[in-house]
Amino acid sequence: EAQVTQNPRYLITVTGKKLTVTCSQNMNHEYMSWYRQDPGLGLRQIYYSMNVEVTDKGDVPEGYKVSRKEKRNFPLILESPSPNQTSLYFCASRKAGGAINEQFFGPGTRLTVL
Amino acid sequence: KQEVTQIPAALSVPEGENLVLNCSFTDSAIYNLQWFRQDPGKGLTSLLLIQSSQREQTSGRLNASLDKSSGRSTLYIAASQPGDSATYLCAVRPGNQFYFGTGTSLTVIP
Repeated sequence: EAQVTQNPRYLITVTGKKLTVTCSQNMNHEYMSWYRQDPGLGLRQIYYSMNVEVTDKGDVPEGYKVSRKEKRNFPLILESPSPNQTSLYFCASRKAGGAINEQFFGPGTRLTVL
Repeated sequence: KQEVTQIPAALSVPEGENLVLNCSFTDSAIYNLQWFRQDPGKGLTSLLLIQSSQREQTSGRLNASLDKSSGRSTLYIAASQPGDSATYLCAVRPGNQFYFGTGTSLTVIP
């Protein structure tokens, strides 16, 4: 089944403790992206990647890191999480190229930073 | 920077009604516009994608239109059902980034 998977689905942590949220897709998509969703603000893009070893900042990259060493994986790293990073996080992917390519989303990771 | 607005923020209709959800965006230079559905606590499911060169797309009871020059899109849902209750999001792609509206929360009352 074609899908985007994220782990963990739920995470409660404390301020300053480094964490990684994994994202993997099995559709051989070139483009992958991370979003956070907050009430009243909608989904905002954190980082995106056009292909292996190619990443770029979205609208809200502060406090986050990403890497793209393999085509299928795009982990999101919070080196020193803070309470304002409590949010619902989504990973997404799509095939590169033309305007016809839809974006597919993972199930989300709900992160709480105490 | 692209700004995407969805009106109304919430909508409640009786089962069987036809309804229209609105999405507007500030910069008409887009590759495409995509409509999504989000159920509570769940991820986003793609409903329809309209390329910038297209005027509308249809899937079952759903019809999405795009007027790029005026920065508007509508999602028409025919003969609404309780199972259509969800939040509907639109997103535009002007380049490599995507910009989302804050969504319309739809409740269809049996």
